[in-house]
Amino acid sequence: GAVVSQHPSWVICKSGTSVKIECRSLDFQATTMFWYRQFPKQSLMLMATSNEGSKATYEQGVEKDKFLINHASLTLSTLTVTSAHPEDSSFYICSARGQGRTDTQYFGPGTRLTVL
Amino acid sequence: QKEVEQNSGPLSVPEGAIASLNCTYSDRGSQSFFWYRQYSGKSPELIMSIYSNGDKEDGRFTAQLNKASQYVSLLIRDSQPSDSATYLCAVVDNRLAFGKGNQVVVIP
Repeated sequence: GAVVSQHPSWVICKSGTSVKIECRSLDFQATTMFWYRQFPKQSLMLMATSNEGSKATYEQGVEKDKFLINHASLTLSTLTVTSAHPEDSSFYICSARGQGRTDTQYFGPGTRLTVL
Repeated sequence: QKEVEQNSGPLSVPEGAIASLNCTYSDRGSQSFFWYRQYSGKSPELIMSIYSNGDKEDGRFTAQLNKASQYVSLLIRDSQPSDSATYLCAVVDNRLAFGKGNQVVVIP
């Protein structure tokens, strides 16, 4: 149980375009989803926390107008990287936390974004 | 500032030996503790969770929690080459805080 999927698994785009990444909890309802970014050989960096039906909470230094997060349902959250630039190239990983007592986060497989 | 610290440097262990990883945390109010494994180029995978003081065993993995001393550890018994990965300690208070990870290399 507790499976989280991400789509696409990798994407290559031109500078200036927008890219949407989907994160789905497949077998549980995720009240909270998290978006992380990881550069090579560095640790995970939390970008934002989203709760279903409300606006995402962004970490300090993360541009909310550049990284648009939507959590419209209990099983789906999307991250849109707007006007992507080469410095946005990274490994983007979502995680989901379910309802009830558990505060365990389950991670999706990640999306590798390369901006040319 | 909540912090989770893992001792630095890769850990090399021979196949079949025990790998021991340690993690300390600064927030005494933390209640939930996790160990994740991350293979190179992959996302983290949950391997252990622990909430109470003492030991918790799951297969070849044992997590140990000492809230008084604010540390959590992970033991990997009978280490296998497939255990070679980065192990992330994570602590929850309001949200999940990660350590920087410990790279484990199991030498056949």
